[in-house]
Amino acid sequence: QQQVKQSPQSLIVQKGGISIINCAYENTAFDYFPWYQQFPGKGPALLIAIRPDVSEKKEGRFTISFNKSAKQFSLHIMDSQPGDSATYFCAAYQGGSEKLVFGKGTKLTVNP
Amino acid sequence: DTAVSQTPKYLVTQMGNDKSIKCEQNLGHDTMYWYKQDSKKFLKIMFSYNNKELIINETVPNRFSPKSPDKAHLNLHINSLELGDSAVYFCASSQPRSGANVLTFGAGSRLTVL
Repeated sequence: QQQVKQSPQSLIVQKGGISIINCAYENTAFDYFPWYQQFPGKGPALLIAIRPDVSEKKEGRFTISFNKSAKQFSLHIMDSQPGDSATYFCAAYQGGSEKLVFGKGTKLTVNP
Repeated sequence: DTAVSQTPKYLVTQMGNDKSIKCEQNLGHDTMYWYKQDSKKFLKIMFSYNNKELIINETVPNRFSPKSPDKAHLNLHINSLELGDSAVYFCASSQPRSGANVLTFGAGSRLTVL
């Protein structure tokens, strides 16, 4: 049972373009939605996160858009750079469960 | 000053052997985790401990046995290794609170079973 569905599996974007990764969830008890970035040979690291009472959160070139009624959220990377090339994971957390559930990941390649 | 450190970084071993991976965090977090990342990059939670107490035990073969001697350490012992155990194992720690749970991951331990 996959609780968080992520798409696309891979994404190729030209430098300066916009990268968009989408996630959907079923469990309405989730109350925290982070995105993690993982470079090859490294562990995932928190990139940006949002709570469901907010529809958008922006940090630099990274923006999360959240649609509570559709149970969907997405990561937008503006002005994508080759250094953004990594695997991105969306995740969802239900307070009290201690369990962070991850999507299957999106491998982003930004061509120079 | 590494926040979450795990050893060894690489493990190559034969089927049937037993191996251990160690993890330590210096963040003062109460909760520690083991995640398995397969060749398709899927991150799956295996175990979680809160202040030395097991709180999450996913559907994992009982050949895998975690142990937390104190809240800063979480080890993973694997008996009778199988080919399918080949993966990268990540240790993580966090301090869950209402409305947020930020995990800090180690660099991973790549296990290859031949």
